[in-house]
Amino acid sequence: EAGVTQFPSHSVIEKGQTVTLRCDPISGHDNLYWYRRVMGKEIKFLLHFVKESKQDESGMPNNRFLAERTGGTYSTLKVQPAELEDSGVYFCASSQFDADGNTIYFGEGSWLTVV
Amino acid sequence: AQSVTQLGSHVSVSEGALVLLRCNYSSSVPPYLFWYVQYPNQGLQLLLKYTSAATLVKGINGFEAEFKKSETSFHLTKPSAHMSDAAEYFCAVSVFTGGGNKLTFGTGTQLKVEL
Repeated sequence: EAGVTQFPSHSVIEKGQTVTLRCDPISGHDNLYWYRRVMGKEIKFLLHFVKESKQDESGMPNNRFLAERTGGTYSTLKVQPAELEDSGVYFCASSQFDADGNTIYFGEGSWLTVV
Repeated sequence: AQSVTQLGSHVSVSEGALVLLRCNYSSSVPPYLFWYVQYPNQGLQLLLKYTSAATLVKGINGFEAEFKKSETSFHLTKPSAHMSDAAEYFCAVSVFTGGGNKLTFGTGTQLKVEL
């Protein structure tokens, strides 16, 4: 079974440009999450989808960030326009409630550098 | 609100020595607790989790953690370190939100294993 996959794995863009990150969750997982780790800081929650609906977007830093989840399958996270402080690793994760406590599985991350 | 404190941003041990990575949590409700590991240039991998069953939890690669409610701790241990254990380790606490989990991470502990 495929895990959570993210694309691109690495991206270098200039300040002011747009970047779109994509995440494919584990098949059948209703819950999809985005997290971010900027340099030297802790990993922080951005938002949570249940199927195609945004359940919690309290961690989104500002309106330059837009997340979508088309048809409850894959998700995209767009940063427009990108700023220097957006550099970091963006992790996508997915989960499905089960008797074992809703384990969250993470992808490899998308490493974003804004120059 | 939930929070996690990881004592020691860097821990260094000799190969074959005991590994002890400390994690204390704060939670207003009975928590679910997790340890994740990130090897260099890779994503987050689940090591183990506590979900209110047994207080001593065994994970992958010989790691285990003990949930101690009285001490609000969930320290990670391994009896004998191996060079391949060198990585960054994250403790996390979660709360259910709309059928999913919202993880709050500690700042991470970088484990170095020396010959």
